[in-house]
Amino acid sequence: DAGVTQSPTHLIKTRGQQVTLRCSPKSGHDTVSWYQQALGQGPQFIFQYYEEEERQRGNFPDRFSGHQFPNYSSELNVNALLLGDSALYLCASSPPWDRKNIQYFGAGTRLSVL
Amino acid sequence: AQSVTQPDIHITVSEGASLELRCNYSYGATPYLFWYVQSPGQGLQLLLKYFSGDTLVQGIKGFEAEFKRSQSSFNLRKPSVHWSDAAEYFCAVGAREYGNKLVFGAGTILRVKS
Repeated sequence: DAGVTQSPTHLIKTRGQQVTLRCSPKSGHDTVSWYQQALGQGPQFIFQYYEEEERQRGNFPDRFSGHQFPNYSSELNVNALLLGDSALYLCASSPPWDRKNIQYFGAGTRLSVL
Repeated sequence: AQSVTQPDIHITVSEGASLELRCNYSYGATPYLFWYVQSPGQGLQLLLKYFSGDTLVQGIKGFEAEFKRSQSSFNLRKPSVHWSDAAEYFCAVGAREYGNKLVFGAGTILRVKS
């Protein structure tokens, strides 16, 4: 049973560019959350998708957007990249029966903005 | 606002010694509490969780944690540390009243000396 998978594992971009990160949730899970983990910090909640809609959003600008597909996979898009967007981006999934925020994390995508 | 504090940035213990990692939270609702571990280059692995009931919870890899409502704490413990426990540990809090996000502490890096 595959866990949460993310692609790519590493990415290098320059300021002003746009990037798309991908996530496949754990089998049977229908909810996907995205987190940003800057160096030396804990993960920060970006947003969560459920039934192909953004259900909740953290304190991130509109440059951060997402999408969820009918197969529950998800994408995170970041426009107009800034140096400060360099971080590990983590995807987490939750099962449909979960009512208590149990989230299972992927290995992340390391984004470097030069 | 919800917040999680992990007072110790780094902790070093000898192999075989006991371990306690501290976590304090500030939440305006009944919290769900989690401990995650992150090895270098890896995502977050769930160690244990607390929702309600018995305030001492057991997790994987021999870890346990105790919820103390009066102290707003959820400290992680292990009786005897193994070299493979060296990693970064994150405390996280969620609550139904605040939606589906997890709020993380900044993490504690555990070093194990032989």
